[in-house]
Amino acid sequence: AQSVAQPEDQVNVAEGNPLTVKCTYSVSGNPYLFWYVQYPNRGLQFLLKYITGDNLVKGSYGFEAEFNKSQTSFHLKKPSALVSDSALYFCAVRDIGTGNASKLTFGTGTRLQVTL
Amino acid sequence: DAGVIQSPRHEVTEMGQEVTLRCKPISGHDYLFWYRQTMMRGLELLIYFNNNVPIDDSGMPEDRFSAKMPNASFSTLKIQPSEPRDSAVYFCASSLVLGHPEQFFGPGTRLTVL
Repeated sequence: AQSVAQPEDQVNVAEGNPLTVKCTYSVSGNPYLFWYVQYPNRGLQFLLKYITGDNLVKGSYGFEAEFNKSQTSFHLKKPSALVSDSALYFCAVRDIGTGNASKLTFGTGTRLQVTL
Repeated sequence: DAGVIQSPRHEVTEMGQEVTLRCKPISGHDYLFWYRQTMMRGLELLIYFNNNVPIDDSGMPEDRFSAKMPNASFSTLKIQPSEPRDSAVYFCASSLVLGHPEQFFGPGTRLTVL
């Protein structure tokens, strides 16, 4: 079975500082990996994905994520945080090695708080 | 494209009443998903469809919940009878699989059962 762990319930960072939101995954085959952001009272919004190729993936709003197969991680990063980045972030995985390859498994979410 | 459309955005009902949530996926998407989000349980997949056919309903909590997709542009999630513990935000999402596997979410329906 596929699973995702987001070890931090909340990450606090000052505006202008780099941020990292952690995600590790477990799959039986090869993973498709995703990051989503959820602002208050809104649906989840797609940020970026890793399917294959370059381990460093760039996405919306200046976010990027690094796929590390040996550590089974897919951490979300941004060089300089903004107060407007404050939101709930979800990591998700899809195991393309199984028959249920269209099913996404989401992590529990990490709340990012960026302060002035 | 208008994105995934859900209605109503908010629903308040009394215990025992029937509730119907509606979703219009993005045109051309062949997968449709229903999720439920609560503080206690996070984001849960309830059911998903491929080309209007239910593929996996193992996340549907009990027989009070049912979902249909009569055509490619419309799906419903029905709860009958509703209970207070059904209070949550229900999201619909759609996707293509080949080449663009990311799911696109609607704004959600916030359901409150009194």
